[in-house]
Amino acid sequence: DAKTTQPTSMDCAEGRAANLPCNHSTISGNEYVYWYRQIHSQGPQYIIHGLKNNETNEMASLIITEDRKSSTLILPHATLRDTAVYYCIVRVGSNTGKLIFGQGTTLQVKP
Amino acid sequence: GAGVSQSPSNKVTEKGKDVELRCDPISGHTALYWYRQSLGQGLEFLIYFQGNSAPDKSGLPSDRFSAERTGGSVSTLTIQRTQQEDSAVYLCAATGYGETQYFGPGTRLLVL
Repeated sequence: DAKTTQPTSMDCAEGRAANLPCNHSTISGNEYVYWYRQIHSQGPQYIIHGLKNNETNEMASLIITEDRKSSTLILPHATLRDTAVYYCIVRVGSNTGKLIFGQGTTLQVKP
Repeated sequence: GAGVSQSPSNKVTEKGKDVELRCDPISGHTALYWYRQSLGQGLEFLIYFQGNSAPDKSGLPSDRFSAERTGGSVSTLTIQRTQQEDSAVYLCAATGYGETQYFGPGTRLLVL
């Protein structure tokens, strides 16, 4: 089973920030939080990941709470092309590193 | 996705036939993963390769499924005696020097 919980769906106005929450209350100390998204009919696209500190790249920002039990992915200026299913994943802390996907959040960016 | 290609893009086969799906990561990708996504379902892990060995095959749904990797690069997922429930998108992911997995575009398999 996935170790994360996310809202099933969210809407966001084009040009506004999209804030996608994720709960991972059972995360272990050496497990990373990864975010991927999947646009219809395509393979998942890596967005960002982090361990403890907040992270930012050209696509998004990741805010992780101090207790690491939850995080938020921020798309600062959402566009219509950001409409996708967003997956928050706690990377299994084993040698395999396999990703366990939940159902994700369907983000609909509206004009 | 960071140089992971898969072939064929689409495959239609008849129930009972064998199929081979190919994943071709760019040179230097050390770990390789196979996942599948059934219609309306999430992605599920199938198998993991480190080099040419597969230390984790726990996700393979039955003994009809097998996979191999040669030369630490190309991997083939084989499904024998396909069934209609095998219809899904089969996704390959590979890691480079870090541990981030980059996915290919997938192979859409339809078993009639």
